[in-house]
Amino acid sequence: GENVEQHPSTLSVQEGDSAVIKCTYSDSASNYFPWYKQELGKRPQLIIDIRSNVGEKKDQRIAVTLNKTAKHFSLHITETQPEDSAVYFCAAPTRAGKSTFGDGTTLTVKP
Amino acid sequence: DAGITQSPRHKVTETGTPVTLRCHQTENHRYMYWYRQDPGHGLRLIHYSYGVKDTDKGEVSDGYSVSRSKTEDFLLTLESATSSQTSVYFCAISFKESSYNSPLHFGNGTRLTVT
Repeated sequence: GENVEQHPSTLSVQEGDSAVIKCTYSDSASNYFPWYKQELGKRPQLIIDIRSNVGEKKDQRIAVTLNKTAKHFSLHITETQPEDSAVYFCAAPTRAGKSTFGDGTTLTVKP
Repeated sequence: DAGITQSPRHKVTETGTPVTLRCHQTENHRYMYWYRQDPGHGLRLIHYSYGVKDTDKGEVSDGYSVSRSKTEDFLLTLESATSSQTSVYFCAISFKESSYNSPLHFGNGTRLTVT
């Protein structure tokens, strides 16, 4: 089925520490894996994505890794800052129109 | 903001009344989506459209209908609102092809309360 599991549901870290959020998907047809950030009261926005022909992608303090064999991908945030506090969603679309999201991870960065 | 406008931004309505939410885009993108967001459930797809008059159901389509008579507008209708449809509704578009392999761009959302 088109199931995406996201863990943990909540994550609290000290400023400057790293944060890792993991998603597992079930459909081997998935080949595009975006991550969205949603600040309180705002819309989700894409922060990074990865395609199945790539194992890792970095953009400054954020990175995404993909293990297609194990069907999981992870978001890594290094040197966390208070403005990284938000809800993060992964997605694993399987076919046109069926963009399945994880249930979200609430990240809190404590100053 | 990818030229997406949702209206209204907030609405309170009574159980049993019909409600229509509008999503308007200015850039002629083919794919448009309606999601609902509820605590603990993330974002769930209600309906999507892949062109004028071309729509299909998502995972939580019961109680909702959609229409797309023009490229720029995608309407979501709750035919007889129920309290379980109290939610935040997001419209989204994908710039290239479909959400299968390109990111979604979301509108600012509509907060709907059904009393």
